[in-house]
Amino acid sequence: EVQLVESGGGLVQPGGSLRLSCAASGFTFNTYEMNWVRQAPGKGLEWVSCISTSGSTIYYADSVKGRFTISRDNANNSLYLQMSSLRAEDTATYYCARDEDLGAFDFWGQGTLVTVSS
Amino acid sequence: SSELTQPPSVSVSPGQTASITCSGDKLGDKYVCWYQQKPGQSPVLVIYEDYKRPSGIPERFSGSNSGNTATLTISGTQAMDEADYYCQAWDNSSVFGGGTKLTVL
Repeated sequence: EVQLVESGGGLVQPGGSLRLSCAASGFTFNTYEMNWVRQAPGKGLEWVSCISTSGSTIYYADSVKGRFTISRDNANNSLYLQMSSLRAEDTATYYCARDEDLGAFDFWGQGTLVTVSS
Repeated sequence: SSELTQPPSVSVSPGQTASITCSGDKLGDKYVCWYQQKPGQSPVLVIYEDYKRPSGIPERFSGSNSGNTATLTISGTQAMDEADYYCQAWDNSSVFGGGTKLTVL
């Protein structure tokens, strides 16, 4: 059974940093591109970042470019999102999602809530 | 990156057909996916590559994509289909539409 379990969310002050993790199981992790998608409270989905199978190709949404860093550890079946210079507008539930092919996210984690507030 | 536009809400009577549109520049040249999200739950992929259904998705869900508009169609809509629906496409980055709340009256 495919499972994606996010962790690392919490309350952080504006300007602070946080590292999210996503533990993957039930599939061959190193053969899938992976993504982070976020959803502000009561709002729609916003794609954040994606990473290729080897980690050599990475894309970011303009809203997080230069502040967030995506990475993966294929040996430990894990995906990460290092977030820095956090702003109130980064407050959201962050989901990791598996990319089946051509941008189709076929499995999603349960999400982890990040709240940026003083 | 491109913007995708969806109607904020669509209403349908049980058993009828619901159509949710997603508009974007030359969207027909890209693959479109659709996701269903119920309150408090993670999104679920219901259509990929414009019209394909993942395993376990009922046949009443179908999709099309041409020109500047992609459409998600739900035939014989059931109460359980009431949810938010999001379209998504890739254009140098992934982009989601703003979402459509489907109400089954």
